[in-house]
Amino acid sequence: GQNIDQPTEMTATEGAIVQINCTYQTSGFNGLFWYQQHAGEAPTFLSYNVLDGLEEKGRFSSFLSRSKGYSYLLLKELQMKDSASYLCAVLDSNYQLIWGAGTKLIIKP
Amino acid sequence: EADIYQTPRYLVIGTGKKITLECSQTMGHDKMYWYQQDPGMELHLIHYSYGVNSTEKGDLSSESTVSRIRTEHFPLTLESARPSHTSQYLCASSDGVGDTGELFFGEGSRLTVL
Repeated sequence: GQNIDQPTEMTATEGAIVQINCTYQTSGFNGLFWYQQHAGEAPTFLSYNVLDGLEEKGRFSSFLSRSKGYSYLLLKELQMKDSASYLCAVLDSNYQLIWGAGTKLIIKP
Repeated sequence: EADIYQTPRYLVIGTGKKITLECSQTMGHDKMYWYQQDPGMELHLIHYSYGVNSTEKGDLSSESTVSRIRTEHFPLTLESARPSHTSQYLCASSDGVGDTGELFFGEGSRLTVL
């Protein structure tokens, strides 16, 4: 079966750096997405990786290793507003999105 | 900023009622999707459409139907609501080629069936 694994919950301190991991086992691969979802709100797009390596976008970076079936989202200079769930999703060979359950990130002062 | 709207935002109804969740987008996107999401759980695809008069079922059988008569409109209908349908329903759209484009989500419709 197809599977996306990410930690259920993480806690970090304001101003620090946190890395949220995502491992996947899917039938084929056509890219990996990260979305941010604040409580009670809709998910919003953060990043898309289809090639190996690191993509940087401001305070957020996303890394992909296709051979390892692994990605991470790196958040720097954490702010209280970064408290949210972070969803990892993979496009399989049929171009269907397979979603992880999300990682709830709690930022403490 | 995304322009995709869902109504109602919140709905409480009794078992057996028929309901329609509305979703409209003004971005001209061909691809539209309905997802179901329970707290702390992954999104499950219920239905999707790649254009007018095109609809497909997703991996979650939710006993719902959709229609796509106009590009901007993608309503979801439950003919007979049950307590198991209690959930958050998210509508999304995309203009990506082969689904590689980002999804724009509506604010969601939170349904409670008593």
